[in-house]
Amino acid sequence: AQRVTQPEKLLSVFKGAPVELKCNYSYSGSPELFWYVQYSRQRLQLLLRHISRESIKGFTADLNKGETSFHLKKPFAQEEDSAMYYCALQNSGGSNYKLTFGKGTLLTVNP
Amino acid sequence: NAGVTQTPKFQVLKTGQSMTLQCAQDMNHEYMSWYRQDPGMGLRLIHYSVGAGITDQGEVPNGYNVSRSTTEDFPLRLLSAAPSQTSVYFCASSRREAYGYTFGSGTRLTVV
Repeated sequence: AQRVTQPEKLLSVFKGAPVELKCNYSYSGSPELFWYVQYSRQRLQLLLRHISRESIKGFTADLNKGETSFHLKKPFAQEEDSAMYYCALQNSGGSNYKLTFGKGTLLTVNP
Repeated sequence: NAGVTQTPKFQVLKTGQSMTLQCAQDMNHEYMSWYRQDPGMGLRLIHYSVGAGITDQGEVPNGYNVSRSTTEDFPLRLLSAAPSQTSVYFCASSRREAYGYTFGSGTRLTVV
């Protein structure tokens, strides 16, 4: 069974400070991992996918297969980064329709 | 290109009433899913579909029905609404390749 764990429900940092949102996963195959962001009362938006190794809004995430982690990082947080962040795993094999979410981390960036 | 469109945006139901949440996508995506979002629970999969005519249950299917007669539409039916179904419902779609899902704007449902 696949599982995604986000150990922090809440994370509060000051503007300009580095931020790291943790994500660990368990999956027996080769997963596709994503970060989604949800601003207040809006739809979920895809922020990052590990296969494209891109940087969006200054955020990056590296897949560490040894530690089964996919932590999201930003060197200098901005107030507009305040949102709910979800880590998600999608199968890469025959049953790749299923997207499993962690419970989310609410990031607050204080002025 | 509208993406994933959900209607209605808000709905209040009385216990025991039935209703259908609509979801349509115009991206020719094979996969579609319904999630419910509750505080502290993240997003939980209700039902999903891997193509027209094919649906299956997710993590929390009880009290909900789905059908997929076309690639574009994936309605979610509440058979007899209960207060425990008060939630925000999101529809999402994806290509067959694992590139992640595109989400609709959600339906905020309150059952009284």
